[in-house]
Amino acid sequence: GQQLNQSPQSMFIQEGEDVSMNCTSSSIFNTWLWYKQEPGEGPVLLIALYKAGELTSNGRLTAQFGITRKDSFLNISASIPSDVGIYFCAGQLNYGQNFVFGPGTRLSVLP
Amino acid sequence: DTAVSQTPKYLVTQMGNDKSIKCEQNLGHDTMYWYKQDSKKFLKIMFSYNNKELIINETVPNRFSPKSPDKAHLNLHINSLELGDSAVYFCASSQEGTGFGGYTFGSGTRLTVV
Repeated sequence: GQQLNQSPQSMFIQEGEDVSMNCTSSSIFNTWLWYKQEPGEGPVLLIALYKAGELTSNGRLTAQFGITRKDSFLNISASIPSDVGIYFCAGQLNYGQNFVFGPGTRLSVLP
Repeated sequence: DTAVSQTPKYLVTQMGNDKSIKCEQNLGHDTMYWYKQDSKKFLKIMFSYNNKELIINETVPNRFSPKSPDKAHLNLHINSLELGDSAVYFCASSQEGTGFGGYTFGSGTRLTVV
């Protein structure tokens, strides 16, 4: 089946730094989602992307739908301690199909 | 007012037992899902279900079965529990057949089989 790769697998950054992570696939997707999961909780939707090239922001978070439709990027500006968590990308191959989740990027923010 | 709620939050049980996890959503969504998250945090879909169709991930053992008494509920029954079933199980829901809005997840049920 389709597989998504996320990089980096994990990252440790200082509070205040900007963060970049990406999600790639060998398949073309029509929808990308970015989720954040905190310990003991379920994933929470951060940003949804529906069109190639689309750039969408949610506060300090900005995500982009790659032009090739095979990748997506998430940036976090001026990180704070509460940004700690696992960030998952999810892609939908075709309308109506189930989403496939990436393995996640674990973010740690050092005060 | 929790959108997707699942109970219990924690479940510890012995091998061979049968157990159920309940899930309810108050979002009016048409499709519900069960996901399994393993110790490495991989999220794998087990089932998706709406009032027309149950789609089962072929890798899910038939000891696992979803039961939906109505559109707002999708419970997960597990028979003859095995050690390898230990994981966090997430219920989720979405609008039928669309990606719009993505999935809304519950807070998970941590199942430990001893």
